[in-house]
Amino acid sequence: GDSVTQMEGPVTLSEEAFLTINCTYTATGYPSLFWYVQYPGEGLQLLLKATKADDKGSNKGFEATYRKETTSFHLEKGSVQVSDSAVYFCALSDLGGGADGLTFGKGTHLIIQP
Amino acid sequence: EAQVTQNPRYLITVTGKKLTVTCSQNMNHEYMSWYRQDPGLGLRQIYYSMNVEVTDKGDVPEGYKVSRKEKRNFPLILESPSPNQTSLYFCASSLQQARDSYEQYFGPGTRLTVT
Repeated sequence: GDSVTQMEGPVTLSEEAFLTINCTYTATGYPSLFWYVQYPGEGLQLLLKATKADDKGSNKGFEATYRKETTSFHLEKGSVQVSDSAVYFCALSDLGGGADGLTFGKGTHLIIQP
Repeated sequence: EAQVTQNPRYLITVTGKKLTVTCSQNMNHEYMSWYRQDPGLGLRQIYYSMNVEVTDKGDVPEGYKVSRKEKRNFPLILESPSPNQTSLYFCASSLQQARDSYEQYFGPGTRLTVT
């Protein structure tokens, strides 16, 4: 079945540091890939997405490129802020068979220190 | 304001006492789903609904029921809750099915404790 693997953390960085959160996936079909963010006490919000190989999703200074050859969708940001502290989930949706829904990674807790 | 609402936000109950968690969306979305979030496991889908009167099992449906009598509402029913259903539950909705890459809009979550 489909699966998503990401570092769980916590990942602790100083403000203005460069961020990378790794995400790799396995899928039987042709997945679309997503990053969702969960701020404390809230539900998840879509951060960015990519629907086919070599697409780059970007939003709020975050970027991720859909790499089919390495089955990866790593999240990057050049200069993080304290307000970026949250839990980040990599996810996929698959056009193949099976239940319709998102398959999530376990989430990466990011802590940005001033 | 476009939103997904869930009630209650927090619930403590005892084993075997039936409960319902309500979910409502005001975006006229066709697709709705329920997830549970557990430490170290991420989010796992419980049930989903493509439209009114159409529901299907997700990855972890055991012990849960759902119904979709109206487009805006998608309640989650636990007929006989057990301690292993202690979790954080999220309702989500989107314009159409997830595999078409539509953005999922999540509610604020319901923290359920079963003793």
